[in-house]
This record gives sequence, C-alpha cells and structure tokens, in this order.
Amino acid sequence: ELKVEQNPLFLSMQEGKNYTIYCNYSTTSDRLYWYRQDPGKSLESLFVLLSNGAVKQEGRLMASLDTKARLSTLHITAAVHDLSATYFCAVDLPRSKTSYDKVIFGPGTSLSVIP
Amino acid sequence: DSGVTQTPKHLITATGQRVTLRCSPRSGDLSVYWYQQSLDQGLQFLIQYYNGEERAKGNILERFSAQQFPDLHSELNLSSLELGDSALYFCASSALADYEQYFGPGTRLTVT
Repeated sequence: ELKVEQNPLFLSMQEGKNYTIYCNYSTTSDRLYWYRQDPGKSLESLFVLLSNGAVKQEGRLMASLDTKARLSTLHITAAVHDLSATYFCAVDLPRSKTSYDKVIFGPGTSLSVIP
Repeated sequence: DSGVTQTPKHLITATGQRVTLRCSPRSGDLSVYWYQQSLDQGLQFLIQYYNGEERAKGNILERFSAQQFPDLHSELNLSSLELGDSALYFCASSALADYEQYFGPGTRLTVT
C-alpha cells in the first residue's frame, strides 16, 4: 500500500529564511503534486511533477522530484508571511505502465512564517 | 476562483439520513474527483470519473456512491450517515484523466 509522509508536519520560520519540506513515498510512482491550503479554504495546485528529475519554480517556491529515492522537496526561499499555509504533497498510485489508480495525500505541513 | 462549483456550501443533517453533494467541473474538463477531508483521516481520495465512466476508486465506503452525468456534472451520494462522516467534501476537475486538478470550494457536512 502506498504511504506518503511529509517532514516536518509543523514548521515555524522567520521571514527571509530558507527552508525545505520533504515528501517521501513508499511505492514507485512518477507523478507527484504539491498543493497549498489556506485555513478554511480549498486546495490550490502549486506544482505537477511528472518525471524523475523534474524541477519547477514559481516565485519563492521550488519543487523537485527524485523518483529513485521516492522523494520530493518543496524549497522555500526568503519566506514571507503570505506563504503561511498548509502544504500537501500527493502521489498517484500506478495501476499500469500508462494509467494510475488513485492518489494518496501526505498529512500536510503546516507552515507559519513569522515577521 | 478555480472555476469548479460545489453545492451546497454547508449541510447539516442527522444520523441515518441521506444527502447529495453536487459538483460542476471547469468548462471543458472531463475528469471529476471527489475527496473527503477530516481532522482525523486527513485528505482522502474517494472516487474519480472521466467522461461519465468511473476511472479510479479510493477509500470510498459502500454507503457512498457517485456518478457523472452527460453534461459532466457529478453528484456524490452519502447514505445512512454516521457522525464520523462529518467532514469537508471537495470536488476537483482536470482536463485530462491524470493531470493537474482544480479544486472546488468544498461542502462542509455536519452530521448530528
């Protein structure tokens, strides 16, 4: 069964600092997603990573995927208060070489950026 | 605004009852997903439809069922409701069967 873990679960960081959130998963997959959720709100798609070595950047956030290590990272550069939210990674469970069965979410990382 | 709409926004009902949650995907999106988010279970994938056909099934209880209609809107039916079914239910849509998903605002279900 596919398990998705995130580390850390809670992160309090100062504005201007850099930090990385890690997402580990237990079964082979080459599709990984990062989402952001503000309190009481819905999920917003941040990144879709579809192959080994994929790297995507948007503003102060950069995501990467290492399918061999079954690891994705979400790197935050020079954090600002607006980045405070919960960040989820999610992994597709492959059904066959060309199709996927279901998606499993990590527990989420609650990020608080302090001025 | 993601373009995905869900109704109702809030729903309060009693144990044993049946409710229907509705989702309209973004214009042109063929795939619809349903998720449940609760404090104790986190975010769980329930079921996915693609162009009217069931494509993938997650941790969906037998008391729950869903369908996608020819106009591509989807409904999630929850029956014999229990207190533990209280949660946020999200619908998401995507253009392709396995790609970036756009989430609706959610329906908050409270079972008393």
